[in-house]
Amino acid sequence: DSGVTQTPKHLITATGQRVTLRCSPRSGDLSVYWYQQSLDQGLQFLIQYYNGEERAKGNILERFSAQQFPDLHSELNLSSLELGDSALYFCASSVEGRPGNTIYFGEGSWLTVV
Amino acid sequence: AQSVTQLDSQVPVFEEAPVELRCNYSSSVSVYLFWYVQYPNQGLQLLLKYLSGSTLVKGINGFEAEFNKSQTSFHLRKPSVHISDTAEYFCAVSYRGTSYGKLTFGQGTILTVHP
Repeated sequence: DSGVTQTPKHLITATGQRVTLRCSPRSGDLSVYWYQQSLDQGLQFLIQYYNGEERAKGNILERFSAQQFPDLHSELNLSSLELGDSALYFCASSVEGRPGNTIYFGEGSWLTVV
Repeated sequence: AQSVTQLDSQVPVFEEAPVELRCNYSSSVSVYLFWYVQYPNQGLQLLLKYLSGSTLVKGINGFEAEFNKSQTSFHLRKPSVHISDTAEYFCAVSYRGTSYGKLTFGQGTILTVHP
């Protein structure tokens, strides 16, 4: 158990819909990351937050947005969903969000868009 | 361009045999190096990481990796594998001197250990 909690574990939704994925980081970790894992793209970095502020942005679509709240939990919002958004979405956390920090991953949220 | 290349997408091996999973990186800045393992239907777990110092790094579950700066490689090795080592392994880097800790991953290597 990494200490990173993600909900829901599985989600099936229709095209065009919107979903929210939730993440609680490890106790004491200030930085949260979101990654997307798919068969064709592999593990892609989406976005990083540190103590509520966006720190780095990766290959995140404009239809996707995220935030980190004062209690440090984070949400990833996916809207206007397409079939290609079906993937495993990981949340991860680290103490300071700096290079070299160990990043701990949750078990992921499986999203299926039908 | 900065990238991580795992040279083998699949590695089959028999139980108790040695294994090496290869990883090369390309970067214009110095990097920190990581290996993660993903068991079926689970998240990623850190096996080991290289930050500085000795280029031979020992990790969990009997794995070790060697950093070779001249060859920009960070290959993962285990002298004797078990059935339970069957999983997907990811090499990753983060970039020194930056303010963000994001990891850039390779495409993964599926290790299958046969009895």
